Amino acid sequence: AQRVTQPEKLLSVFKGAPVELKCNYSYSGSPELFWYVQYSRQRLQLLLRHISRESIKGFTADLNKGETSFHLKKPFAQEEDSAMYYCALLGGNSGNTPLVFGKGTRLSVIA
Amino acid sequence: DAGVIQSPRHEVTEMGQEVTLRCKPISGHDYLFWYRQTMMRGLELLIYFNNNVPIDDSGMPEDRFSAKMPNASFSTLKIQPSEPRDSAVYFCASSSLTSRIYEQYFGPGTRLTVT
Repeated sequence: AQRVTQPEKLLSVFKGAPVELKCNYSYSGSPELFWYVQYSRQRLQLLLRHISRESIKGFTADLNKGETSFHLKKPFAQEEDSAMYYCALLGGNSGNTPLVFGKGTRLSVIA
Repeated sequence: DAGVIQSPRHEVTEMGQEVTLRCKPISGHDYLFWYRQTMMRGLELLIYFNNNVPIDDSGMPEDRFSAKMPNASFSTLKIQPSEPRDSAVYFCASSSLTSRIYEQYFGPGTRLTVT
């Protein structure tokens, strides 16, 4: 079964502190992992995907197959990073299976 | 493109009433998803369509919930009768297999309150 676990419902950090949003997944095949973000009063949107190996708004995420994790990291948190973050898994190789989302972590960056 | 459009944005209704949520996907997208967001359960997939055909409705909580997609530009999610535990934000999203299905474009959501 495909499953995404985000152990923290709420994460509070001070501005300038490092941030790590945890995500663990369960999937027997080769997954694709994503992070979606929902800023206040905005729509849920794609932040980054592991295949791209890119940094978006200072965030990076590395897929660790050994630990089945895809943690989202940023070295220095900013107030505008406060949002709801969802980790998502795309299983299956047909390309037409829906995303499986975690329950989300609300990040609060304190000035 | 205005993106995915949902209506109404807010709905307050009394227990037992019928509620209909509406969604217009992005033109050209062939996948449409309905999600429910709550504090306790996070983002749950209720049902999704491909080319207007329901593919998987296993996430629909009960028979009180039904969804239709009569054409490529319109979908509804109906709750009849509604109950207080249905209070949540309901999102519609669309995507395209020909581009990138994982990049789902979400609507602004409908905040449903059942009293």
